[in-house]
Amino acid sequence: ETGVTQTPRHLVMGMTNKKSLKCEQHLGHNAMYWYKQSAKKPLELMFVYSLEERVENNSVPSRFSPECPNSSHLFLHLHTLQPEDSALYLCASSQDRGTGGQPQHFGDGTRLSIL
Amino acid sequence: GQNIDQPTEMTATEGAIVQINCTYQTSGFNGLFWYQQHAGEAPTFLSYNVLDGLEEKGRFSSFLSRSKGYSYLLLKELQMKDSASYLCAVMDSNYQLIWGAGTKLIIKP
Repeated sequence: ETGVTQTPRHLVMGMTNKKSLKCEQHLGHNAMYWYKQSAKKPLELMFVYSLEERVENNSVPSRFSPECPNSSHLFLHLHTLQPEDSALYLCASSQDRGTGGQPQHFGDGTRLSIL
Repeated sequence: GQNIDQPTEMTATEGAIVQINCTYQTSGFNGLFWYQQHAGEAPTFLSYNVLDGLEEKGRFSSFLSRSKGYSYLLLKELQMKDSASYLCAVMDSNYQLIWGAGTKLIIKP
């Protein structure tokens, strides 16, 4: 098993659809993250969970809704998305949040395209 | 505001040495990370610097000067598989990672 697994790898959806992205980590970490990666732009932090509680929401539109049912799983529920939401969505985990020196471990991402 | 600057693209020759620079302005500093990301793949952790100086890991080394807000990643004996994007990220006072846009490194035979 790889450390952080994301499904699906690719997703094409219309603006009126509802879909969910899934992330699972097998590293025993306590913190999980959602990032958006657009071409030639820095990674944008969307949500942070620590011990299953959301600790940060970086002003993300409500059409993105995260869910963290346990420390190993993280979901990103999508509805009524816009074309500018097309991007690579990366999930990451780290041992803890709020401690320096701990690297984040990333999944391969979901490539999302909005028609 | 917080800002991380790194070159957009660099080209180097197989077997040579390349230095990728990163300058930063952040609210506080709790360390600097370098990641490698091959196209279509996950970013993978390369190095972490929190004190000034050079950290060496095999063919890769990373340097930090906190007073100058500056870091570099040094890649020696370049191989074709080193063709990738290299991401610089600084952990700020809230322990949040602030990312640069990445440097795409192209290795030519």
